[in-house]
Amino acid sequence: DGGITQSPKYLFRKEGQNVTLSCEQNLNHDAMYWYRQDPGQGLRLIYYSQIVNDFQKGDIAEGYSVSREKKESFPLTVTSAQKNPTAFYLCASRAGPVDYGYTFGSGTRLTVV
Amino acid sequence: DQQVKQNSPSLSVQEGRISILNCDYTNSMFDYFLWYKKYPAEGPTFLISISSIKDKNEDGRFTVFLNKSAKHLSLHIVPSQPGDSAVYFCAASARSNYQLIWGAGTKLIIKP
Repeated sequence: DGGITQSPKYLFRKEGQNVTLSCEQNLNHDAMYWYRQDPGQGLRLIYYSQIVNDFQKGDIAEGYSVSREKKESFPLTVTSAQKNPTAFYLCASRAGPVDYGYTFGSGTRLTVV
Repeated sequence: DQQVKQNSPSLSVQEGRISILNCDYTNSMFDYFLWYKKYPAEGPTFLISISSIKDKNEDGRFTVFLNKSAKHLSLHIVPSQPGDSAVYFCAASARSNYQLIWGAGTKLIIKP
């Protein structure tokens, strides 16, 4: 079955450490996105990539980094510079025109301890 | 500055009745609107969408209405079922960049 796989589902990190969240898709989608969800808030865009080897900052990119070396993969690194990293992180991809909607992974819950 | 607003954090509806979820937007450049449904600890799933050239779109029990002059859209679910209990997000996009702007979500609770 085609879809987006995010791993791990739950992640704990000590303050001051970098951590990388995985996102893999086998949908052959060109565009991929990383969102952050906090309680009572909508999804906020961290980074997005329209094609391989290219990515753009979203609304809240500070303290995060990404890479897009392969079409299928779009990992997100949460660096120690991110002040409030505890959140639910969602990866998404888009096939084409926006009317087809975004396909989301099941998310990663990151907790900083 | 919230461009997409869902002013009701939660809504409780009796099973079998109509659920109406509302969404307001401020940016007149938005020309496409989508509704997503989200269960806890899962990613959102696409539900229904509407283009700004239409004022209504139906898909089974789900209907979305768009009032461009009021910058308002609503999602109607008829009849409401227990499996509809979830958080519903409204999102808007301008075809200039295809980025989705999201509302904060409304938690729908269907009571038996």
